[in-house]
Amino acid sequence: GAGVSQSPSNKVTEKGKDVELRCDPISGHTALYWYRQSLGQGLEFLIYFQGNSAPDKSGLPSDRFSAERTGGSVSTLTIQRTQQEDSAVYLCASSKNRGRNEKLFFGSGTQLSVL
Amino acid sequence: DAKTTQPPSMDCAEGRAANLPCNHSTISGNEYVYWYRQIHSQGPQYIIHGLKNNETNEMASLIITEDRKSSTLILPHATLRDTAVYYCIVRGGADGLTFGKGTHLIIQP
Repeated sequence: GAGVSQSPSNKVTEKGKDVELRCDPISGHTALYWYRQSLGQGLEFLIYFQGNSAPDKSGLPSDRFSAERTGGSVSTLTIQRTQQEDSAVYLCASSKNRGRNEKLFFGSGTQLSVL
Repeated sequence: DAKTTQPPSMDCAEGRAANLPCNHSTISGNEYVYWYRQIHSQGPQYIIHGLKNNETNEMASLIITEDRKSSTLILPHATLRDTAVYYCIVRGGADGLTFGKGTHLIIQP
């Protein structure tokens, strides 16, 4: 597609359930990022993938959060045993390559609501 | 740790130039200044970036002071669709993007 695609756009779940959020980056982009944005707050970095290198997981808030990127393209962010504080918009971004002159392209996000 | 300081909000009249300031007094020599904006309910959108020279593209102009301790993003003819949160970000080549709280720019009709 022309841009970064995320699905679902909205997800409502019950506390304690697992959820999976999907990101389709722009074709050919080697770098992929996950951020989350709580209501009225700035963006919080979660995890970063670059090609086949080991991901930078330094932003993941707990071991309930994990992400993978299969075949260097599609990425899935998984949240296990969801808590109410996980409610936020989860944003995915991709770029051609990390470094100077890097431009990130963001998807529209997944709004996660944990009841 | 915030590398940039921006006013929390600004107003601008439609059709006028919007000038958004950003202070980055601790910027180092290899760090770039990036601007992104986030329109309500959308993901952030890249606007422009620069190292030390002024830059212009179809969206905006970026003016960086000679000492690089501050910069100004200029939207030359603001429209209602430019109402958004504008983020000024300083980063080196190997760093990720760290978003602060930005400036909420409101374009008034």
